[in-house]
Amino acid sequence: QQQVKQSPQSLIVQKGGIPIINCAYENTAFDYFPWYQQFPGKGPALLIAIRPDVSEKKEGRFTISFNKSAKQFSLHIMDSQPGDSATYFCAARTFIEGKLIFGQGTTLQVKP
Amino acid sequence: DVKVTQSSRYLVKRTGEKVFLECVQDMDHENMFWYRQDPGLGLRLIYFSYDVKMKEKGDIPEGYSVSREKKERFSLILESASTNQTSMYLCASSLRGLKSSEQYFGPGTRLTVT
Repeated sequence: QQQVKQSPQSLIVQKGGIPIINCAYENTAFDYFPWYQQFPGKGPALLIAIRPDVSEKKEGRFTISFNKSAKQFSLHIMDSQPGDSATYFCAARTFIEGKLIFGQGTTLQVKP
Repeated sequence: DVKVTQSSRYLVKRTGEKVFLECVQDMDHENMFWYRQDPGLGLRLIYFSYDVKMKEKGDIPEGYSVSREKKERFSLILESASTNQTSMYLCASSLRGLKSSEQYFGPGTRLTVT
């Protein structure tokens, strides 16, 4: 079954903290793992993505760590800011169809 | 600037009504998608389309149909709306191939069925 499990459902951190959001998948027929960020009243937008042959990718304060053998990947936000408060979705792209399977979402609140 | 627009931000319909949700993209993207977003369930794919006149079922197609007569427009149809279809509906588009994981989303339509 194609599924991506995301945790935690919600997260509250202080400004400057490092929130970590975790995702796990079962199907090995995924070839790309993007993260999307959604602000209230907006549609999700691509934040950062990683291929399964790479163990880590960093863009600014956002880092994806990828563990292929464990079928897990996570998003770290360094020096988090109140403006990072949003809902974050992990996703996995199916190799054959090219569609995205999304995780359940994590609502992050960064307190000033 | 890339743009995906959806016909309504908020919609209230009665049970049994036929509902049309329209989506237009101006990026000449081949792929278009319809999702519904529910708390704790994430985004679930309803239908997608790789080209004009083509459609593929997603993970939860029951109770929905779609139409893609032009490349830039993808419509979601609820043949007979039910209360369990109350949700946020999101349209997205993308290029084909390696760029397909970068989907551009519209702002969503919050549909309430009473």
